[in-house]
Amino acid sequence: KAGVTQTPRYLIKTRGQQVTLSCSPISGHRSVSWYQQTPGQGLQFLFEYFSETQRNKGNFPGRFSGRQFSNSRSEMNVSTLELGDSALYLCASSFDGRAGYNEQFFGPGTRLTVL
Amino acid sequence: AQSVTQLGSHVSVSEGALVLLRCNYSSSVPPYLFWYVQYPNQGLQLLLKYTTGATLVKGINGFEAEFKKSETSFHLTKPSAHMSDAAEYFCAVSDSSGYALNFGKGTSLLVTP
Repeated sequence: KAGVTQTPRYLIKTRGQQVTLSCSPISGHRSVSWYQQTPGQGLQFLFEYFSETQRNKGNFPGRFSGRQFSNSRSEMNVSTLELGDSALYLCASSFDGRAGYNEQFFGPGTRLTVL
Repeated sequence: AQSVTQLGSHVSVSEGALVLLRCNYSSSVPPYLFWYVQYPNQGLQLLLKYTTGATLVKGINGFEAEFKKSETSFHLTKPSAHMSDAAEYFCAVSDSSGYALNFGKGTSLLVTP
């Protein structure tokens, strides 16, 4: 079956702009998590959605937001972009989000560059 | 809080040599531990995980890891390195909610001929 897909794969924005990234989970998966990966901070958890509800949130400013649709697809939005937001944004899907019970499958990521 | 520390940001081994990537964890509850691999321009792929039960966990591609509670460690090993093993490896622990992963900084594995 198809894996986790993320669009777009690459994105270039300028400071102050906003951006929306999309993630389509594996069919049947209801949990979608987002992570930010940077050389300095490594992989950091942004938030997790299950059945259209944000269930868990990492330590990121309110400029980072997300949502999940009834078909489990998820979007994340970053407003008022800063240079430090340049990163690889990874989406992961799993059946119910419980890390110890169900494998999280990661997408290839969206590479965001902020100029 | 649950966290992991990976010792060594870069590890270099010769093809055919033992691979040993180190990970120590800190957790206030029995941890769920994971090893992921990331190839260039790709997402993360699960190598193996420890939840409960047998402390020696076998994963894909010949990798295995041993959960040692007394040493708070979960080191990843492979008896014989292949060139295709060159990648970034991440150790992770589930956070207190159970729904998110806290990752280590990663170890870049270089395999030389």
